[in-house]
Amino acid sequence: DGGITQSPKYLFRKEGQNVTLSCEQNLNHDAMYWYRQDPGQGLRLIYYSQIVNDFQKGDIAEGYSVSREKKESFPLTVTSAQKNPTAFYLCASSIEVGQTQLAKNIQYFGAGTRLSVL
Amino acid sequence: RKEVEQDPGPFNVPEGATVAFNCTYSNSASQSFFWYRQDCRKEPKLLMSVYSSGNEDGRFTAQLNRASQYISLLIRDSKLSDSATYLCVVIPYTGRRALTFGSGTRLQVQP
Repeated sequence: DGGITQSPKYLFRKEGQNVTLSCEQNLNHDAMYWYRQDPGQGLRLIYYSQIVNDFQKGDIAEGYSVSREKKESFPLTVTSAQKNPTAFYLCASSIEVGQTQLAKNIQYFGAGTRLSVL
Repeated sequence: RKEVEQDPGPFNVPEGATVAFNCTYSNSASQSFFWYRQDCRKEPKLLMSVYSSGNEDGRFTAQLNRASQYISLLIRDSKLSDSATYLCVVIPYTGRRALTFGSGTRLQVQP
């Protein structure tokens, strides 16, 4: 089945530790995204990537880093500089970014990773 | 002003009721619009795209009003299973072309 897989489902971070959240897709989508959702809030964009080896900062990139070495993979590292990392992290992908065809902009989400601080 | 604004609710309605949500957006250069549904502690899932002429999918109707810069979602004959948070999503024509999500409107359908 085609889809987006995020792992782990739950993750705990110790103070001062970097942790990496995995996101893999087999939909052959060019664009991938990372969002953060806090309780009772909407989604906020952390980083997005339109193509392999390229990525752009979103609204809340500070304290996070990403890489896009393969089309299928877009891991997110939550660094120790992120002082309030507890949240629900969602990865998404779409065929492309910025196309006029509505269908190509639709984003499909993974099941998410819940990150907590120990 | 937020780019995309929604009434957080909750909207508490009885089964069988008709309920409507609005979502306003501030960027007039917005191109694409969607409604997503998010169940508690789950990922958002696409409910429907919003076309300029309006569109219907079963009990759900979406409309776009560019002049007043809002989109709407109408749910007829509400079911218990419709209970969820409904997120409106906007993509601009220019600039960063990632989705901008509203904070969501929570719907609770009661027996």
